[in-house]
Amino acid sequence: DAGVIQSPRHEVTEMGQEVTLRCKPISGHNSLFWYRQTMMRGLELLIYFNNNVPIDDSGMPEDRFSAKMPNASFSTLKIQPSEPRDSAVYFCASNRDSNSPLHFGNGTRLTVT
Amino acid sequence: QKEVEQDPGPLSVPEGAIVSLNCTYSNSAFQYFMWYRQYSRKGPELLMYTYSSGNKEDGRFTAQVDKSSKYISLFIRDSQPSDSATYLCAMINDDKIIFGKGTRLHILP
Repeated sequence: DAGVIQSPRHEVTEMGQEVTLRCKPISGHNSLFWYRQTMMRGLELLIYFNNNVPIDDSGMPEDRFSAKMPNASFSTLKIQPSEPRDSAVYFCASNRDSNSPLHFGNGTRLTVT
Repeated sequence: QKEVEQDPGPLSVPEGAIVSLNCTYSNSAFQYFMWYRQYSRKGPELLMYTYSSGNKEDGRFTAQVDKSSKYISLFIRDSQPSDSATYLCAMINDDKIIFGKGTRLHILP
């Protein structure tokens, strides 16, 4: 079991640039979650998918954020245009079903200057 | 009132001591309870997963759930410096998963 795989591990970009974060969930898991973690707010749920379909995107802060899951083994979170306040660690997680615990990747540390 | 409350710490204890970490919650509909450990620059790692009230033990770790008081705890016996990390509680109700903000724990050698 390779676990949840995220890339890149670190991303440094200038304000206004497009950022794309990638995630490969654990094989066989039906749900995928994108979280953002900051010291001030802790873990915030941005969006989650079930069977590749977005179920709840109420946590997506603005239209600058979008997420896709074209198939069961891949998801992207895109920020366009990026802003300094988007700097945070972004985690992807997956689980087998609605009452199962989440398994997290090691995150992407995003810095927008 | 926040749905899940967790003291951010930091909590510093000497090696070998028993550590008690706690969370309170307001929504009595939460059914499943978890504890995660997060090392610096890593993702949260599942430690304990429980459903009912009572205790669940796994090695040096014991998770306790008191649904009547809406209170959960994680106890660490014989604490080690390698236990130094941030511990997050989490709870599930019908697709809704809520995390506490985490408690930073330092075990002093």
